[in-house]
Amino acid sequence: SQQGEEDPQALSIQEGENATMNCSYKTSINNLQWYRQNSGRGLVHLILIRSNEREKHSGRLRVTLDTSKKSSSLLITASRAADTASYFCATALSGGSYIPTFGRGTSLIVHP
Amino acid sequence: DAGVIQSPRHEVTEMGQEVTLRCKPISGHNSLFWYRQTMMRGLELLIYFNNNVPIDDSGMPEDRFSAKMPNASFSTLKIQPSEPRDSAVYFCASSLTGGRTEAFFGQGTRLTVV
Repeated sequence: SQQGEEDPQALSIQEGENATMNCSYKTSINNLQWYRQNSGRGLVHLILIRSNEREKHSGRLRVTLDTSKKSSSLLITASRAADTASYFCATALSGGSYIPTFGRGTSLIVHP
Repeated sequence: DAGVIQSPRHEVTEMGQEVTLRCKPISGHNSLFWYRQTMMRGLELLIYFNNNVPIDDSGMPEDRFSAKMPNASFSTLKIQPSEPRDSAVYFCASSLTGGRTEAFFGQGTRLTVV
C-alpha cells in the first residue's frame, strides 16, 4: 500500500495563481521527496526534505513538513502553463531501506 | 551524464511471450529501483538493488517476474510468460544512497501485452 497520499487528486488553476498540494503519510520517515511527471515522461525530482527540517525552498517551490501531523505540502507560486504535470510525494521510511514509496499523485492543470 | 537509460521505450508483445526490459543507471549510483505505473495502482516498487544485490523484491508480482543486476551499470527486468495484466509503464531509477537521496528516473518502457 502507498505510504504517502496526495490531495487533491486534481487541481485546475489559472496562470499566475498559486498551487498547493498536500501529502499525508502513516509512519515515521527519514525524508520526504516531491517529484513531477510530465505526460509520457519519467519522474523528475523537485525537493527532498528531511525529517528534522520544517521548510525548504527551491525557486518558485516551497515545501513544508509537519512530522507531528505526518503531512507535507508543496506550494508552487506564480504558476505557469509549463507547470502542468502530475506531482508525487515519496516517503522514505525510518529504520528501513529508505526505499521511496510513492502516492498516487496530484494532477495539476495550469490554464494560460 | 546521459541519465538513466531504459530500453526499449515501447514494447508490444503477445501474451505468453518473454519480455526483457533493460536499464543503465547513472554511473556512480549504488542503488537501483524498478517501478511499475498503472492508472489503477499508481507507482509500485517492484524491486530494489543496492550495490548490485537485491535488497527488497517484495513488490515483484509473482514468479513470472525476475530481475537481475549483473554489474553496476546494467539491470534487466524479465517477464516470462507475459500476460495482458502486465501492461504498464515500467520505470527504472537510480540514486546514490537508496532513499536517502534523490532518485533519477529513466523515461520508462511502455509495455503492451495483447
